[in-house]
Amino acid sequence: DAGITQSPRHKVTETGTPVTLRCHQTENHRYMYWYRQDPGHGLRLIHYSYGVKDTDKGEVSDGYSVSRSKTEDFLLTLESATSSQTSVYFCAISDRDREIGEQYFGPGTRLTVT
Amino acid sequence: GQNIDQPTEMTATEGAIVQINCTYQTSGFNGLFWYQQHAGEAPTFLSYNVLDGLEEKGRFSSFLSRSKGYSYLLLKELQMKDSASYLCAASQTGNTPLVFGKGTRLSVIA
Repeated sequence: DAGITQSPRHKVTETGTPVTLRCHQTENHRYMYWYRQDPGHGLRLIHYSYGVKDTDKGEVSDGYSVSRSKTEDFLLTLESATSSQTSVYFCAISDRDREIGEQYFGPGTRLTVT
Repeated sequence: GQNIDQPTEMTATEGAIVQINCTYQTSGFNGLFWYQQHAGEAPTFLSYNVLDGLEEKGRFSSFLSRSKGYSYLLLKELQMKDSASYLCAASQTGNTPLVFGKGTRLSVIA
């Protein structure tokens, strides 16, 4: 299994509070991704990174920001959480430079915004 | 635009064969991935097709037709543990992330 962890694994927070989710990898992969998964919508890309300090938006980036200050960590921040951001969040990594580019997923974070 | 379609749900009997179809429309298509996701867990990589034809891996096979924008995942000798969602994802050239379909939930019944 790829060395990828997410923290926290579960979180309950109130509307309007800031929340930061962490993704940590030990594979030295260049690419990292944040997805959310909701019933009826499948996996939707929030933001991704193609290197330290290099990030780009996905299809559902509104209300989210990311930072990547070192290769192994990719942080997802909800500046002011809303109930619509209740979801399961998955981080993924890939190394498209050397491999076929398959993505390996972390275990997920279940976030509930009340 | 980018679009990936796959059936929402399928049901099959233990020991049988099931085929899960996926059609895609993406620019700069590179290859097609299949992932398996059990309820409450993360997706895991199953297969990757870049050339036309069938790739076999044990009980699972995956097929690609680039000219038709079509792929399928074939599961043989179904087992109860194969009950899961199966996600189709298209790879594009360059740094563009994978484009995922919404997944097909497969239920294997006795």
